Amino acid sequence: DAKTTQPTSMDCAEGRAANLPCNHSTISGNEYVYWYRQIHSQGPQYIIHGLKNNETNEMASLIITEDRKSSTLILPHATLRDTAVYYCIVKDLFGNEKLTFGTGTRLTIIP
Amino acid sequence: DAGVIQSPRHEVTEMGQEVTLRCKPISGHDYLFWYRQTMMRGLELLIYFNNNVPIDDSGMPEDRFSAKMPNASFSTLKIQPSEPRDSAVYFCASNLDRGKTEAFFGQGTRLTVV
Repeated sequence: DAKTTQPTSMDCAEGRAANLPCNHSTISGNEYVYWYRQIHSQGPQYIIHGLKNNETNEMASLIITEDRKSSTLILPHATLRDTAVYYCIVKDLFGNEKLTFGTGTRLTIIP
Repeated sequence: DAGVIQSPRHEVTEMGQEVTLRCKPISGHDYLFWYRQTMMRGLELLIYFNNNVPIDDSGMPEDRFSAKMPNASFSTLKIQPSEPRDSAVYFCASNLDRGKTEAFFGQGTRLTVV
C-alpha cells in the first residue's frame, strides 16, 4: 500500500472548518483513501473514504486532487469533541485487507 | 448491534503468566483483526481472519502470541508467557466484506504486565 505523509499536529478554533492535509504521491489506481480518527482512550473510528471523486457524509468532506497524489479532510464546523488523532490511510481495493496506520495528525480544537 | 465487544477492558498480570484477550465481532462481519497500540510503535496489525481462517499473521511478534477464531462470533488472542514489553492496548476490529467497507473497532483491552 502507498505511504502517506501528514503533519504531526494542528490547531483549529472551535466553530471553524478544520482542514487536514494528506500526501499520498505514490498512490496507485486501485487504492482508496480512507480517514479514521482516534479520540483519546477509544478505538479508531471510521470517518470517510474515496477513490477519486470528492465525498461528503454527515461527519466530514474528503477532497481528492485530480492527480490523486494528495487529499484534504474537512470538518466543516469543528467542535471540542473533534479533538483527536486523524489517520489518512491508503488501501488497495483488491489487496490485503489490513489498515496500515501511520503517526497521524493530532488535531486540537481550541475553545 | 452493540458493536465490537472486547473483554476484559483492563488486565494487569505478572510477568510469566498467561493472558487471554477476547473479542466478539459485529454479527455478519466476515473479517476480524487484532491490532496493538504502543507509544513507541503506534497502531500495528497483529493478525487478521477471513471467515474464521487466519489470512495474515505476519505481525504476530513471536511464538508467545497466538490467536484463534473458533467460530464467527468469537476470537481470542493469547500471550504465554507474558512479558513487560507486551504492555499495550490491544484492539479488535471487524468489517463486513472485502474491499471498500469500513472497519469497526472495539474499545480495546489495556494490558499491563508487571
